[in-house]
Amino acid sequence: AQSVTQLGSHVSVSEGALVLLRCNYSSSVPPYLFWYVQYPNQGLQLLLKYTSAATLVKGINGFEAEFKKSETSFHLTKPSAHMSDAAEYFCAVSGGGSQGNLIFGKGTKLSVKP
Amino acid sequence: NAGVTQTPKFQVLKTGQSMTLQCAQDMNHEYMSWYRQDPGMGLRLIHYSVGAGITDQGEVPNGYNVSRSTTEDFPLRLLSAAPSQTSVYFCASRESGGAFGEQYFGPGTRLTVT
Repeated sequence: AQSVTQLGSHVSVSEGALVLLRCNYSSSVPPYLFWYVQYPNQGLQLLLKYTSAATLVKGINGFEAEFKKSETSFHLTKPSAHMSDAAEYFCAVSGGGSQGNLIFGKGTKLSVKP
Repeated sequence: NAGVTQTPKFQVLKTGQSMTLQCAQDMNHEYMSWYRQDPGMGLRLIHYSVGAGITDQGEVPNGYNVSRSTTEDFPLRLLSAAPSQTSVYFCASRESGGAFGEQYFGPGTRLTVT
């Protein structure tokens, strides 16, 4: 069975600092991995996804994530935080099979200080 | 395209009442799903559908019913509301591509059961 663990329910950074949000996965098959962002009172929006084509995945708004099989990790990074990055971020793994249901982590809330 | 739409945005129910949360998409997606989001729990899958006439249970299906008579609509029914069903509900649809396709989320319905 697949699962996802996000380390840290809250992360706070200063504007201009590096953003690092951690995600570790468990999967018995090669995983499809996703990062979604949720701005306050909105639905989720896809940031990026890993589908085995390349281990470094670039997404929207300057975010990227690196798939590391040896560490079973898919951490999300951004070199320089902006105030508009304040949101909740969810890592998810596809459950496989023809359905491919998503299994979400519990989320990490990112705060950006001026 | 309107994308994924949900109604109502907010709802307050008394224990034991029933209601239907509406979800519609205009992207001709075969796969649709319902999640509930609770603080610190991430998103949990309630029910999903891989096409008209086909539905299946997710992780937390108890107390909810679904049907899929058309490709566009995927309503979620609460038969007898309970306080434990107080949550934010999201509907999503997925583009073709199976397990690695992007899911598009609606804006959510915030439900309170008293």
